[in-house]
Amino acid sequence: QVQVVESGGGVVQPGRSLRLSCGASGVSFNSYGMHWVRQAPGKGLEWVAVIWYDGSYKYYADSVRGRFTISRDNSKNTLFLQMNSLRAEDTAVYYCARDLSAGEMATFDFWGQGTLVTVSS
Amino acid sequence: EIVLTQSPATLSLSPGERATLSCRASQSINSYLAWYQQKPGQAPRLLIYDASNRATGIPARFSGSGSGTDFTLTISSLEPEDFAVYYCQQRSNWPPLTFGGGTRVEIK
Repeated sequence: QVQVVESGGGVVQPGRSLRLSCGASGVSFNSYGMHWVRQAPGKGLEWVAVIWYDGSYKYYADSVRGRFTISRDNSKNTLFLQMNSLRAEDTAVYYCARDLSAGEMATFDFWGQGTLVTVSS
Repeated sequence: EIVLTQSPATLSLSPGERATLSCRASQSINSYLAWYQQKPGQAPRLLIYDASNRATGIPARFSGSGSGTDFTLTISSLEPEDFAVYYCQQRSNWPPLTFGGGTRVEIK
């Protein structure tokens, strides 16, 4: 049974930090690129960041570059998103998603159920 | 940044009817387009990648076509579980990866 589970979401004040995690069972992440995609309440999908299977490449959306950091621990089959200097516009459900390849296919075949991040004072 | 425009915003159809969804790119993206289905409260699900390749486990009633700037997702005969929101996504010129605004397929 394939399961991808995000955690770490919650309510946070503007300017503060939060760290999201994404773990998987029944499916391997280690040979695949991993992405974070977010969805503001009632809105569409927005790609956030990608990390190559071995961590060698990382790319970010302009809206989060310099504030968010993607990382992974392949020994634990876990993906992370460190989010600093959070803004109200970062409020969204954050999904982790597996790439079809090491990272270059940039197409998402497995998704977690999402974790809600709310930035509010 | 490549902009994807989906039309129509909402499609009202009955079960058994054919659904035709459009996605137009602001510049040529070759065949580097994927389609996803999202139901309320659920994560998106990959349907089609590289314009016309069905993902694992996707029923044959879903098909994709197109290249360059114009793409189509066709559902040949709508099943009750197909009523959802559909998004296209390009990977031709990235970062950033971009999504269309979505098409909602609702029951007429």
